[in-house]
Amino acid sequence: SAVISQKPSRDICQRGTSLTIQCQVDSQVTMMFWYRQQPGQSLTLIATANQGSEATYESGFVIDKFPISRPNLTFSTLTVSNMSPEDSSIYLCSVLRQGIGELFFGEGSRLTVL
Amino acid sequence: AQKITQTQPGMFVQEKEAVTLDCTYDTSDPSYGLFWYKQPSSGEMIFLIYQGSYDQQNATEGRYSLNFQKARKSANLVISASQLGDSAMYFCAISIMDSNYQLIWGAGTKLIIKP
Repeated sequence: SAVISQKPSRDICQRGTSLTIQCQVDSQVTMMFWYRQQPGQSLTLIATANQGSEATYESGFVIDKFPISRPNLTFSTLTVSNMSPEDSSIYLCSVLRQGIGELFFGEGSRLTVL
Repeated sequence: AQKITQTQPGMFVQEKEAVTLDCTYDTSDPSYGLFWYKQPSSGEMIFLIYQGSYDQQNATEGRYSLNFQKARKSANLVISASQLGDSAMYFCAISIMDSNYQLIWGAGTKLIIKP
């Protein structure tokens, strides 16, 4: 199984600022995914990050708000830009295990915007 | 379009009892996968069990088993001999094999085990 480290694990931020979340995987993976989980809700896919190409964003999410980097096969970042209280969520990085298609998740980054 | 429905927003179960968490799905694809994940209060997502649409036998993984009824499009999770540590949110998900692999998630069920 893949080991995924996310940083920060939690943060409290001021409205209008930006925060970058890092995701480090202990092995090379092709597909990395960024999810958002708003309080009391299920998971919503923000984007798929593939190394060497632009991230693919889901409906309702745009690059200006959630820029993503994927410089190599073991690392990715998600930035939450110009934050508002509505951005308060858990942000989860995940990777795909080839075979059955199981997703491994990082510990999540719990973001609170004041 | 694929869809996952979890009809139980919350459940209370006595410790050591078995518990069944409901999940129904809707898809037109003949090939799909069904997953269950556990999310403790810490927030991490923990993979529990997987069932492929062509698998003949119900999946089992320790105390977890999946009651897969394909004709009814249901994939209920059964936890035997529940423990206090089983208290968590449980999510059912279905995989779709389009150009961008992703899981479609249910709303989740909050399970609380009573001592």
